[in-house]
Parts: sequence; C-alpha cells; structure tokens
Amino acid sequence: QVRLQESGPGLVKPSQTLSLTCTVSGVSVNSGTYYWTWIRQHPGKGLEWIGYIYYSGTTYYNPSLNSRLLISIDTSTNQFSLKLSSVTAADTAVYYCARSYYKAFDIWGQGTMVTVSS
Amino acid sequence: ENVLTQSPATLSLSPGERATLSCRASQSVSSSLAWYQQKPGQAPRLLIYDASNRATGIPARFSGSGSGTDFTLTISSLEPEDFAVYYCQQRTSWPSMYTFGQGTKLEIK
Repeated sequence: QVRLQESGPGLVKPSQTLSLTCTVSGVSVNSGTYYWTWIRQHPGKGLEWIGYIYYSGTTYYNPSLNSRLLISIDTSTNQFSLKLSSVTAADTAVYYCARSYYKAFDIWGQGTMVTVSS
Repeated sequence: ENVLTQSPATLSLSPGERATLSCRASQSVSSSLAWYQQKPGQAPRLLIYDASNRATGIPARFSGSGSGTDFTLTISSLEPEDFAVYYCQQRTSWPSMYTFGQGTKLEIK
C-alpha cells in the first residue's frame, strides 16, 4: 500500500524558512513513473499547486513561488522535501504532498497545517 | 496561465438526485483533466483522470466527460457520502504546471 506522510514544524516565524518533508512508503521515489508534488490549501480556500520533482532531480515550480522555493529528493531515505523561504502570513496553509501519475494526483498525504506567526 | 472555472459555486440537491458539475478551461487541455472530491478535514481524493477514466475504487455512479475546454462531472444518483467539495485540475505541458478550479460545493438540499 502506497502512503505519503508530511512532517515538519507547525509554526514558522515570518521571514523564516518553512521546511517540510514527505516520507513515501510502498513505492520508490526513484521510480521514473511518477512526479512527487507539493500542494497547499489556504484556510477555507481552494487548492494551489506548489511544485514537483522527478526522481532525476528535475523540478518545476509554480511561477508565483519560484523565487522562494526549493524542492529536493533523497532516494536513500525515500523522501522528498519542500523549503519555502521568506514566509509571510499568506503562506499559512495546509500543505499536502502527493504523487502525480497520468497528469493527476492519485495518492495524497493527510496534510499538515503550517501557521506563519510571530 | 490556463484558468479553470467551475460552476456552479454551490449545488444544492437531495440524495438520489443527479448532479452535474461543470469545469471550463480558458485554453484547450485536450483530455488532460482530473476531478477530485474533498470532505472536511480530509485530503482530496482522485475521482476521474484523463477526463473520463475512473480512478481505482471509485464507484460507477461517478462519470466524467468532455474534451478541449468544457468538462463535466456527473454523479448519477447521489449518496449521502457524496456531499463534499469537488475540484477540477489540469496540467499544461509547457510551461509544465498544474492548476485547479476554485471548487463546487455539493450540499444537501
């Protein structure tokens, strides 16, 4: 059974860097079949694609976040990670990691709430 | 950016009725459109991919149709557990990115 699990601090101070990790089980992130993705949802709002990484390390980012974003992958631990710098209150959201297959997201983590506040 | 517009914003129906949700893209996405269901406090669940293919374990009462810019998600006979928010999503090849519609809330009448 494939599972994705987000982890990281639930509270980040303004101007600091938000760091999250997604631990994948049941499938290797080294598989060339999937893209490994981050998506967020602001409180009470819709879904926003953040970016994704391929097993090779190739990344694609949402242009609106590109200058602050870094997504990386660690095949030895079967994890991929998100770093979002210079955060503000507008980055407060539930952050999901997900697997992309056939241009859709077929497996999602449960999500983790991140609040940006001093 | 390819904008997805969902309608209606809210749909009020009763169990047993048929639900028809719409998603319109500002530019053609061919058949590269997916639908998700999200219940409160839960992650979204993939229902339909490539416009009309049901994901694993999705009941047959869910169906998707359309191509190009106009897409429809149909729930043939609503069950109590179907009342939720539904999102459409597309991927563009260049630049490679994904976008979601703003969602349709399906509520019990």
